[in-house]
Amino acid sequence: EIVMTQSPATLTVSPGERATLSCRASQSVSGKLAWYQQKPGQAPRLLIYGASTRATGVPARFSGTGSGTEFTLTISSLQSEDSAVYYCQQSNDWPWGFGGGTMVEI
Amino acid sequence: QMRLQESGPGLVKPAETLSLTCSVSGDSIDDSGYYWGWIRQPPGRGLELVGVVYATGTTYYSPSLKGRISISLNTSKNQFSLKLTSVTAADTAMFYCVRHPSRGALFGVVDRWGQGTLVTVSS
Repeated sequence: EIVMTQSPATLTVSPGERATLSCRASQSVSGKLAWYQQKPGQAPRLLIYGASTRATGVPARFSGTGSGTEFTLTISSLQSEDSAVYYCQQSNDWPWGFGGGTMVEI
Repeated sequence: QMRLQESGPGLVKPAETLSLTCSVSGDSIDDSGYYWGWIRQPPGRGLELVGVVYATGTTYYSPSLKGRISISLNTSKNQFSLKLTSVTAADTAMFYCVRHPSRGALFGVVDRWGQGTLVTVSS
């Protein structure tokens, strides 16, 4: 089973600054890596798939990079509405597991 | 507009069976383009994939729940269901029904979520 590890657990960033979130897989996931955003009381929302492709309607300030086992979600110029928990998920091998999440506080 | 809606009891007693149904509108669950699944989230914690069912009825379950879990399709009602047996307080969670594309760049990604339903296990 592939284990997904996210860091840091919590990230505090000022408005307008850049946030960099990391996700590491215990073995290669061949680029099948997605990122989700979850705000309190809401279901998660897909942000990025295929490691770097933004989902429909996702602002350009969200970008994903990485391959193999190391992936990064970058939020450039953070806005107040970006305060949320962010999860990565691999879909290369069953079970399609999630990381533990990174809480972004603004 | 494609929509997923969970339904079922919000309170289940320990050792009993948790049963949830997801009603799908705006899409057909026998469309071979998707897996239909369940994700749970204990209060204040992260996301856990519970299992999925394909249009053919083929299922894949979380290893941690194997033996207690069953997911099935009801194509006549365009619904799919989850049964989790022998529940304990550790199974208390928000349960989301979800859709995963079965091909292409979106393979395995959750591209649609239900609003979620909270199930509490307590006597």
